[in-house]
Amino acid sequence: AQKVTQAQTEISVVEKEDVTLDCVYETRDTTYYLFWYKQPPSGELVFLIRRNSFDEQNEISGRYSWNFQKSTSSFNFTITASQVVDSAVYFCALSDTTGANSKLTFGKGITLSVRP
Amino acid sequence: DGGITQSPKYLFRKEGQNVTLSCEQNLNHDAMYWYRQDPGQGLRLIYYSQIVNDFQKGDIAEGYSVSREKKESFPLTVTSAQKNPTAFYLCASSLGDSGNTIYFGEGSWLTVV
Repeated sequence: AQKVTQAQTEISVVEKEDVTLDCVYETRDTTYYLFWYKQPPSGELVFLIRRNSFDEQNEISGRYSWNFQKSTSSFNFTITASQVVDSAVYFCALSDTTGANSKLTFGKGITLSVRP
Repeated sequence: DGGITQSPKYLFRKEGQNVTLSCEQNLNHDAMYWYRQDPGQGLRLIYYSQIVNDFQKGDIAEGYSVSREKKESFPLTVTSAQKNPTAFYLCASSLGDSGNTIYFGEGSWLTVV
């Protein structure tokens, strides 16, 4: 069975602080995909990143960076110099690659509050 | 603009009534999904459809029904058999192949009164 654990439930930081959101996953698949989504107060889930299991290179996109480590089954997300607009719920998800379908198993989400 | 449209945004239902949530996409995606979100629970898969006229149960399908008569449409009916229907419902779509990114609509809030 697949599982995604986001042990942090709520994080509060002051603007301009760096913050790391942790994600640990479990899967028996050798090929899998990991995702991060952002859910602002409006409710829509916004796609942030997709990473396949064969690509362990870290990725940076502006103030966002992701650290994928297969050895620890982790896919952590860091926001550098956080801003108030970063306040949202962040979900890590794992894609099921059995069969032909693309289905996601989600963690429970981390509520990030960035204070001015 | 391309995207996924859900309606209504807010819906109130009396106990014992069925209600249907609409989901339309113009992304030409083959696969469509319905997820339910409860506070502190993350998202759980209700139903998904890979092609027209075919769909499969997800993890929490009891009390729900779907249809997929057109590629762009995947309505969800919350039936009176659903014990705790009050939740936030998210529709999504993807190209369908394993590992493809799943994109989400803006969601629908259902409250049972």
